[in-house]
This record gives sequence, structure tokens and C-alpha cells, in this order.
Amino acid sequence: AQKITQTQPGMFVQEKEAVTLDCTYDTSDPSYGLFWYKQPSSGEMIFLIYQGSYDQQNATEGRYSLNFQKARKSANLVISASQLGDSAMYFCAMRVVNTDKLIFGTGTRLQVFP
Amino acid sequence: DGGITQSPKYLFRKEGQNVTLSCEQNLNHDAMYWYRQDPGQGLRLIYYSQIVNDFQKGDIAEGYSVSREKKESFPLTVTSAQKNPTAFYLCASSILQGVNTEAFFGQGTRLTVV
Repeated sequence: AQKITQTQPGMFVQEKEAVTLDCTYDTSDPSYGLFWYKQPSSGEMIFLIYQGSYDQQNATEGRYSLNFQKARKSANLVISASQLGDSAMYFCAMRVVNTDKLIFGTGTRLQVFP
Repeated sequence: DGGITQSPKYLFRKEGQNVTLSCEQNLNHDAMYWYRQDPGQGLRLIYYSQIVNDFQKGDIAEGYSVSREKKESFPLTVTSAQKNPTAFYLCASSILQGVNTEAFFGQGTRLTVV
């Protein structure tokens, strides 16, 4: 069965510092994709970054990078140079090719303070 | 502009009544998803569909029903059998080819049952 685990309900970080949000996953399928989404208080879901199970390099998108450790089944999101606008809920998600099922973790609420 | 439209944004219903949430997309996506979001529980998959006239149960399908008569539309009915229907409901869609395609989300419908 597929499962996504986010163990940090909340995180605080000072503006301009880096922060890591943890995500571990479980699947027996060898082909899968991992996603991170941001959800501001408005409720919209904003796609941030994607990592494929066969990708050799860690994904990066601007200030976002994904620390992918396949053997440990972890896909942590690193946000560099945090900004006040980064305050939001962050969700890790996984999709496997066999079922096309897209599942999410419970999320981490990030608060950036000046 | 292309996107996913959920309506209404807010919905109030009396206990025991069925209610249908609308989700329409003009992205020509094959896959569509319905999620329920409760505080502290992240996004939980209710139903998903990969093709017209076919859909699969997610992790919390009990008390819900869906239909997929058109590619663009995937309405969700919250039935009176759903014990605790008050929640934020999100609809999403994605291309159905491999795992490296992110899902796009609607703005959500906040359902309150009184």
C-alpha cells in the first residue's frame, strides 16, 4: 500500500534562513513520482517541485530543492532564503504509475518570522 | 484561461440532505480526483477517475458517490450516509501519462452541515 508520512506538524524559521521539511514514503512499486505542494491560507494548492523515482539528481526549482534519498525512502523539501510569503501548509504527495493514485501526507505548517 | 472550477466556494446544508459539489476542468486532462481536507489530517482521497464512465474508490469513499459522464466534469455527491461531512473539499486533475505530471487543483468548496 502507498503511504506518505510527514512527521512535523509545525515548523518555525527566521526570514532568510533555510528550512527542511521532512517526508518519508512507502510503496512497493518501482516507478513513482514525488511532489511537494504549498497551500496558503486561501486554500489553493500550488505545485512546487517534482522528483521521479528514476531521477539520478535531486530536483531543484528556484529556492526549492528536494533531498531525495531513495534507499531511505525520503523526499525532504529544502527551502533556502525563507521569505515571509513562504508561511503556509506544505504537503508531500506520491503517485505510482500502476494505479495513478495520488496520495498526500498530513502536511507541515511553516511559519516564517522576521 | 484553462483551469479547474469548483462551485460553490461555500455550501451550507442541513443534516440528512444529499449535496453535490461541482468540478469542471478545461485542461483536457484524463484523470480527476476528489479530496477531503480536515485540520491536521491533510488531504485524503475520496474517489478518482482515469477515464470517462470509470472511477475508483480512494481511502475514504464511504458516504460519497461520483460520476464521470464527461471528460470535463467529475461531480461529487455527499450523501446522508456520510457521518461527518463538514470539511474542505478539493478537486484536482492531471494528465494520465506516467507519474511526472503534477495535479492541478480547484479553489475548493467548504461544506458546512448544520
